[in-house]
Amino acid sequence: QVELQQSGPGLVKPSQTLSLTCTISGDSVSSNSASWNWIRQSPARGLEWLGRTYYRTRWYSHYAVSVKNRLNITADTSQNQLSLHLHSVTPEDTAVYYCARIPGGSYYWFDFWGQGSLVTVSS
Amino acid sequence: SSELTQDPAVSVALGQTVWITCQGDSLRAFFANWYQQKPGQAPVLVIHGKNNRPSGIPDRFSASSSGTTASLTITGAQAEDEADYYCSSRDNTNNHLVIFGGGTKLTVL
Repeated sequence: QVELQQSGPGLVKPSQTLSLTCTISGDSVSSNSASWNWIRQSPARGLEWLGRTYYRTRWYSHYAVSVKNRLNITADTSQNQLSLHLHSVTPEDTAVYYCARIPGGSYYWFDFWGQGSLVTVSS
Repeated sequence: SSELTQDPAVSVALGQTVWITCQGDSLRAFFANWYQQKPGQAPVLVIHGKNNRPSGIPDRFSASSSGTTASLTITGAQAEDEADYYCSSRDNTNNHLVIFGGGTKLTVL
């Protein structure tokens, strides 16, 4: 059974960097079939996929257009963790953030989710 | 990027059948996946691909698709099915990306 455990601060100041970590158990962040995602949810924007990273002989990352210039998703194989770093945040980045796994296959479904992390951007 | 459109709210009488729809150009190329979300919880996958239920999802949940419209069907809705439902698919303008619908709030009367 795959489990995703999220951690990180719940309050970030405007213009700073929002960083969250997702610790994976039951699978490997360097899996040759899965990809590892960050998704957020706010009342204004609903569920919003932010990006993903995966390993296929090398690391790949893909980001949503809305955050492409501010987002970096990284993997730490020694800790089996996934991280999100969202730069230059504004109050519009206030949301519940989730990490989630795409197990493989052609249709990119999210089968396991983290518990969610509420992050508030406020001074 | 592409968009997926869902009706904001749908209601169904207890034990009846309800269809929740999702529309978007991406659905011509990719099947929708469906998620159920209850208040304060993370979304739960209920259908993926053409019509596949993960282990533990009741068989009253099913899916179909035609053209640019995908549908989630709940046959014999139960009180515990009251929740928000979201569709998602790959983005046909850049198929490395994923898009979500805006969600449908299902009320079981």
